[in-house]
Formats: sequence, structure tokens, C-alpha cells
Amino acid sequence: DSGVTQTPKHLITATGQRVTLRCSPRSGDLSVYWYQQSLDQGLQFLIQYYNGEERAKGNILERFSAQQFPDLHSELNLSSLELGDSALYFCASSVGSGLDEQYFGPGTRLTVT
Amino acid sequence: AQKITQTQPGMFVQEKEAVTLDCTYDTSDQSYGLFWYKQPSSGEMIFLIYQGSYDEQNATEGRYSLNFQKARKSANLVISASQLGDSAMYFCAMRENTQGGSEKLVFGKGTKLTVNP
Repeated sequence: DSGVTQTPKHLITATGQRVTLRCSPRSGDLSVYWYQQSLDQGLQFLIQYYNGEERAKGNILERFSAQQFPDLHSELNLSSLELGDSALYFCASSVGSGLDEQYFGPGTRLTVT
Repeated sequence: AQKITQTQPGMFVQEKEAVTLDCTYDTSDQSYGLFWYKQPSSGEMIFLIYQGSYDEQNATEGRYSLNFQKARKSANLVISASQLGDSAMYFCAMRENTQGGSEKLVFGKGTKLTVNP
């Protein structure tokens, strides 16, 4: 158990819908990272937050957004969902803004039908 | 161009034998880090081992060791005394600087390891 929690574990929704994925980092970790793992694209970095502020952006679509709250939990919002958004979404956390130790949550498997 | 290359889509090893999973990387940074993660069929990503570019010794964590050859830009994972529970996908990743002074991980496509009894 990495100490990073993600809810829900599974999510099935229809095209065009909007969903919110939630992540709680390990106790004491200030950084949260979001990754998408799909069969065709592999594992890709989406976005990072550090202590409530956006620090880095990767291959995140404009239909996707995220935020980190004062209690350091983070939410990833996916809107206007398409079939191709079906993937495993991981959250990871680390103590600082660097990546010496980054621990992943169990992931949320999103299926868009 | 790919920054992390894992050339072995699948590997097989007999239980109790050692296995090496290959990883080569491409970067012009002087300071970088290399990671290996394990992803069992259940889906979670498990951190295994980390090697910093300035570390003089190869990293080791239990049965895992990293064969770091900086000049060849390779960071192969060696698993000794394989166990059935080692069957999983293994991902090599590199820490890459982003604009704004932060960092992100760039992953390879992974190697599926199967340990045979």
C-alpha cells in the first residue's frame, strides 16, 4: 500500500458525459501528479500540482482540468468524454516538487461507452 | 523521438533464475534520474528502484539492482532469484525537467515479464 488513495476504482460512463476522479496523497506529500495509461499511448504525464498550485503540464487535453485543494487532495475533471478517453488514470504523490520518490495510487479505470 | 526505449516487449525466465530487463534513455541533461516501476495484473504501479545520474554506485533494493551504464545511456533492471510473483509489466522511466522548473516522469512502453515454475 503506497499510502495514495484514489476513488472511484472503476467508472463506466457514456460519451459526452463529465466525470471527476479524486486523489488523496500520502500524508506529508505536497505534490500530486496525474497520469493516463492507455493501450495506444502508454503511460503519459498529464499535470502536476504542488501545494495547491499548478507546477507542470503535460499532454493534458483542454477538455480535462484538475485542481488541488487546501487539504492537498486533488481532483481530475474529464468532460465531453470520448471513447478514446477510456484508460487507467493514476495519481502519484511526492514530498517536494521533485521526483526522487514518487508513489502511485491504485488508479481509476475509466470506461467510456 | 522516444526518450525511453524498452526493446523487449516480453521476457520469460525460470523461477529462481536471474533476468535482465533492458532500458536505454535519451537526454541532454546532466542531472536526471531513472526509475523502474512494476505493474502487476491488478494494475497498481509499484516503485522498485531509483538511480540518480550522479550516483557513482549502482542502485540496489533487495533482489532488484540497476545496471547503470552512463556512457551507453542504459539503465537495465536486474532481478535476481526470480519468483512467480515477479510476473508483471515493468516500466523504465526518466525524470525530465519541465518549463517552470518542475519535473515529470517519461515512461517507456514496458516489458512483460513471465516467470515460469
